[in-house]
Amino acid sequence: DAGITQSPRHKVTETGTPVTLRCHQTENHRYMYWYRQDPGHGLRLIHYSYGVKDTDKGEVSDGYSVSRSKTEDFLLTLESATSSQTSVYFCAISDWEDGAEKLFFGSGTQLSVL
Amino acid sequence: QQQVKQSPQSLIVQKGGIPIINCAYENTAFDYFPWYQQFPGKGPALLIAIRPDVSEKKEGRFTISFNKSAKQFSLHIMDSQPGDSATYFCAASSRGSARQLTFGSGTQLTVLP
Repeated sequence: DAGITQSPRHKVTETGTPVTLRCHQTENHRYMYWYRQDPGHGLRLIHYSYGVKDTDKGEVSDGYSVSRSKTEDFLLTLESATSSQTSVYFCAISDWEDGAEKLFFGSGTQLSVL
Repeated sequence: QQQVKQSPQSLIVQKGGIPIINCAYENTAFDYFPWYQQFPGKGPALLIAIRPDVSEKKEGRFTISFNKSAKQFSLHIMDSQPGDSATYFCAASSRGSARQLTFGSGTQLTVLP
């Protein structure tokens, strides 16, 4: 998984509670991404980072925040989890090759919000 | 707004068959078209990709066919095997940028032994 570790792998939480998901990489990649995967929607970009403390919003950023205080760690926070945020969350890093930015994904975090 | 439409949603073939997964896009600025393969419990992995300056690309048993005028592209798996059973996602982006990458909704492929 391209040196990417996501934690936790599974989490069950209640509506209204804060949740933080962690993505850790070991290969010093500049760009890191958070996606959510839902049936019928493929993968949708939540937030991404292009360096320490440099982040930007993706397609579905509402209700999520991110932080990157170290190159190797990219955190995704749900400030107040809702049932609509039940999903599988994937972290990814990228490498430029042959003129295109190729994504390498972690194994994902299954989040259930009850 | 779904910029990349993928079909079918699911597909079942016999071993040795040639499953075909189709994708259509709307944005003419797209210039990079990757396919990702995902096994249960794992993240998606890049399988093969194509640029619009070629009509076909092969890597092993996997082939992408690209029709620029129709704004469509498809994945063919030759001599499919049970180990090819997975979910396949097409995607498209402009300038090859991951930040611009739009995924299709996915196709769950089952190859029967």
